Amino acid sequence: RKEVEQDPGPFNVPEGATVAFNCTYSNSASQSFFWYRQDCRKEPKLLMSVYSSGNEDGRFTAQLNRASQYISLLIRDSKLSDSATYLCVVRRRDAGNMLTFGGGTRLMVKP
Amino acid sequence: DAGVIQSPRHEVTEMGQEVTLRCKPISGHDYLFWYRQTMMRGLELLIYFNNNVPIDDSGMPEDRFSAKMPNASFSTLKIQPSEPRDSAVYFCASSRTGNGYTFGSGTRLTVV
Repeated sequence: RKEVEQDPGPFNVPEGATVAFNCTYSNSASQSFFWYRQDCRKEPKLLMSVYSSGNEDGRFTAQLNRASQYISLLIRDSKLSDSATYLCVVRRRDAGNMLTFGGGTRLMVKP
Repeated sequence: DAGVIQSPRHEVTEMGQEVTLRCKPISGHDYLFWYRQTMMRGLELLIYFNNNVPIDDSGMPEDRFSAKMPNASFSTLKIQPSEPRDSAVYFCASSRTGNGYTFGSGTRLTVV
C-alpha cells in the first residue's frame, strides 16, 4: 500500500462547479500536510498547507481529519485555469524534512 | 530570488552515454532533493542531502546513478551508462528545515 493515496481521476467538471479531492495517508507519524499543484510539463508548486483546524485561501479550502487519516481539498467556482494535477503531500515526524507525494489527482475544467 | 535552477532543460542522449544533470538550490536552503517523475510511477525520491551530506539514497535505482553535493550551492546527478528506461523528468528541489519544497523546472531526459 502506498503511503499517500489519491484517486488519479481525471475529474472532468464544468466551469463554475465545486469539486473535492480526498487523499489518505497510512503513517500515523505524519505531522505536516500540503497540497501542491502541477501543470502539464511543469514543476510542482505549493498550493497551500493544511492545518488541523482547516484553512481557506480564496476559492480553495483544505481540511485534515487526523482520526481517519485523510486530507481534502475543495475548489469552489472552478475556473478553466484550475485544470492541473493536484498532489497530496505529507511530512512524517520521523523523516526529517522529507516529503512524501501522492500520485496526484488530475482535474480538467471544461467551458 | 532566482529559485532553484536546473540545467539542462532538455537532454537527448544515446544509450550507454554518461548524463550529468545539474542543480543550484535557493541560497540559504539546507535541504536538497532529487526526484524522478514518469507517467507510470509518478514522483519518486531518488536521494536527498542535508547541509551537503547525503542522508537517504535508498531511492537511487542502481549503481548507474550517483549524486554529489560538493557545496551548498551546487549538486549533480549522474547516470553512467544511461539506458532508455532512464527517460523521465528529473526534478531538483530545495527547502529550509520545516518548510515546503521549491522545485526547479526539471530536466527532461530522453535516452534513445
